[in-house]
Amino acid sequence: NAGVMQNPRHLVRRRGQEARLRCSPMKGHSHVYWYRQLPEEGLKFMVYLQKENIIDESGMPKERFSAEFPKEGPSILRIQQVVRGDSAAYFCASSPAPGSADTQYFGPGTRLTVL
Amino acid sequence: GDSVTQMEGPVTLSEEAFLTINCTYTATGYPSLFWYVQYPGEGLQLLLKATKADDKGSNKGFEATYRKETTSFHLEKGSVQVSDSAVYFCALSRNTGGFKTIFGAGTRLFVKA
Repeated sequence: NAGVMQNPRHLVRRRGQEARLRCSPMKGHSHVYWYRQLPEEGLKFMVYLQKENIIDESGMPKERFSAEFPKEGPSILRIQQVVRGDSAAYFCASSPAPGSADTQYFGPGTRLTVL
Repeated sequence: GDSVTQMEGPVTLSEEAFLTINCTYTATGYPSLFWYVQYPGEGLQLLLKATKADDKGSNKGFEATYRKETTSFHLEKGSVQVSDSAVYFCALSRNTGGFKTIFGAGTRLFVKA
């Protein structure tokens, strides 16, 4: 059973471009969580989604960031008009039911670098 | 608000040395406490957890005891191996559930043969 998959693993963008990060949850998991880790900081919760629904986006910046988890296909974290401060590691996790991080399976992360 | 503070890395040890990675937390009430490990190129994996004061979590030779009086959850291992080289994250979450686990910044461990 494949684990949580994220791609790309590394992404380089210039300021003002768009970044799209993809997350394929584990088979049978319908709950997806996104976290961001800024340099020298811990992971911080961004958003929690179920299929076709955003359940909790309280950790998501109000502008430029959006997330979706369509009925078919991976979850997408989209960052428009990236700025240097968006450079970070973005982790996705999935679970078969809603719950705290100890019930979640994490992907390897996407490292975004904004030039 | 809730927070987790762990010792800065990197920590470099020789094989078979004793490991301690300090972790302290700030939270009201009685959160659950966790240690996660991230091996190179992989996602975070839950290493161990404790849900109430004086509980000891243990796994793969690692241990940590929930100390309410010192608000600490230090990670220890008696004899590290090269394969333990990884980044270790301390974290807490509310026993009432929810998704907003609070993570520390991580401590990178290098073990030399």
